[in-house]
Amino acid sequence: GAGVSQSPRYKVAKRGQDVALRCDPISGHVSLFWYQQALGQGPEFLTYFQNEAQLDKSGLPSDRFFAERPEGSVSTLKIQRTQQEDSAVYLCASSLVGRNNEQFFGPGTRLTVL
Amino acid sequence: AQKVTQAQTEISVVEKEDVTLDCVYETRDTTYYLFWYKQPPSGELVFLIRRNSFDEQNEISGRYSWNFQKSTSSFNFTITASQVVDSAVYFCALMTTDSWGKLQFGAGTQVVVTP
Repeated sequence: GAGVSQSPRYKVAKRGQDVALRCDPISGHVSLFWYQQALGQGPEFLTYFQNEAQLDKSGLPSDRFFAERPEGSVSTLKIQRTQQEDSAVYLCASSLVGRNNEQFFGPGTRLTVL
Repeated sequence: AQKVTQAQTEISVVEKEDVTLDCVYETRDTTYYLFWYKQPPSGELVFLIRRNSFDEQNEISGRYSWNFQKSTSSFNFTITASQVVDSAVYFCALMTTDSWGKLQFGAGTQVVVTP
C-alpha cells in the first residue's frame, strides 16, 4: 500500500477488556511511532521503534500499555484492562531512518472504552 | 523541557480570505526541527513542512507560506486565498535533540472556511 494503514479503524471495548491495535507502516520505513490523541488535543508521543528495537517507550502512560514490532515491520499496540481514560485516537506513523525525518501518519484507530 | 503553544483554538474565514496560524515554541536546545501538519476531518495527519533551527529563511509553497523567527520563537503559517478544502485542524510540532524522534505537538487550530 502507498501509506500507513491501521486496523481496526474503530474499536469499542468494555472497561477491563484487553485490546490490540495494528499498524502497517510504509514499506521500507525503518522507524515507527505510536501517538495517542485525546479529543480536541494534539497527539502525544507513546513509543518509538527502529526496526524491531523499541528505543523509547517513555510516553506509555502505564504498564497496561505494551507495544511490539517483532519482525521490524508490522507493529501492535496492546492495552490491557482498558479504562475509560484510555478512550482516544491512537495514531501510528512511520519514517525513513533518521529521527528528524518527516513522519507519515496512518488514519488512526478510535478507541472508545465504555 | 519543550512546549508548543497554538493560542488560537478556532479561526473562521470566508473563502478567498487569508488566514494566519500562530505557533510559539519553547526549547533550550539550539538544534531543533519545527513542523506543520494538517488534520482534515478524515483524521489522517498530513505533513506540510519541516524547518531546522539553523534555517530562518521563509518558505512559500503555492498558497502556503511560513514565517520562522527565532528571535520571538515563532513559526507562523499563512494560507493565502483560503479554500473550503483548507478546512481542517492544523498542528505545529517541535522535535529537539533532547527528544529525537518525538514530535511535541501543540493543541492545534481549527480552521473553518465557508463559501
